Amino acid sequence: ETGVTQSPTHLIKTRGQQVTLRCSSQSGHNTVSWYQQALGQGPQFIFQYYREEENGRGNFPPRFSGLQFPNYSSELNVNALELDDSALYLCASSLNRGRETQYFGPGTRLLVL
Amino acid sequence: QKEVEQDPGPLSVPEGAIVSLNCTYSNSAFQYFMWYRQYSRKGPELLMYTYSSGNKEDGRFTAQVDKSSKYISLFIRDSQPSDSATYLCAMTSSGNQGGKLIFGQGTELSVKP
Repeated sequence: ETGVTQSPTHLIKTRGQQVTLRCSSQSGHNTVSWYQQALGQGPQFIFQYYREEENGRGNFPPRFSGLQFPNYSSELNVNALELDDSALYLCASSLNRGRETQYFGPGTRLLVL
Repeated sequence: QKEVEQDPGPLSVPEGAIVSLNCTYSNSAFQYFMWYRQYSRKGPELLMYTYSSGNKEDGRFTAQVDKSSKYISLFIRDSQPSDSATYLCAMTSSGNQGGKLIFGQGTELSVKP
């Protein structure tokens, strides 16, 4: 177990709705990265938060947003959900931007109907 | 062309076989290389981490990085049915994009008893 937790485990939404996913990082870690994993694909980087500030963003539209709290837990928000947003959303906890090692949580499986 | 290429398999081997998994990449800035194991419907689990070129061994697992060829490998000795999973290679640079992991598609491995 990595000590990284995510909630909820599963979620079903309809197109156009908004969703918030949550991640608690491993004790002592100050960086959280979010990834989207479509079925049969490797994870794709969404963005990273380091010490409460966004520290890099992948090729995702602005309707994907996030924040990191003082205890280093994090939220991912997705507005105006689209069918293609259906995926496994993973957060990864690490120290100091996570160049060396990132530890993943179990993920939140989102289905958009 | 994807930054990281990985044969998706599936790869099926008998128990006890030596397994070789590979990835190629195009970005010469990549310095940090990881292998993750992902069981069905779970988050990726970090197996091996290597910095720059060279070999690293951990039990039945050996990771190799050849930066001159932009090629990384993971070898599994004495493979077990419990090794059946999807194996993901991932890598990142040391610059401003460090911490943004770029993943391969993943190779699905099945070890038959």
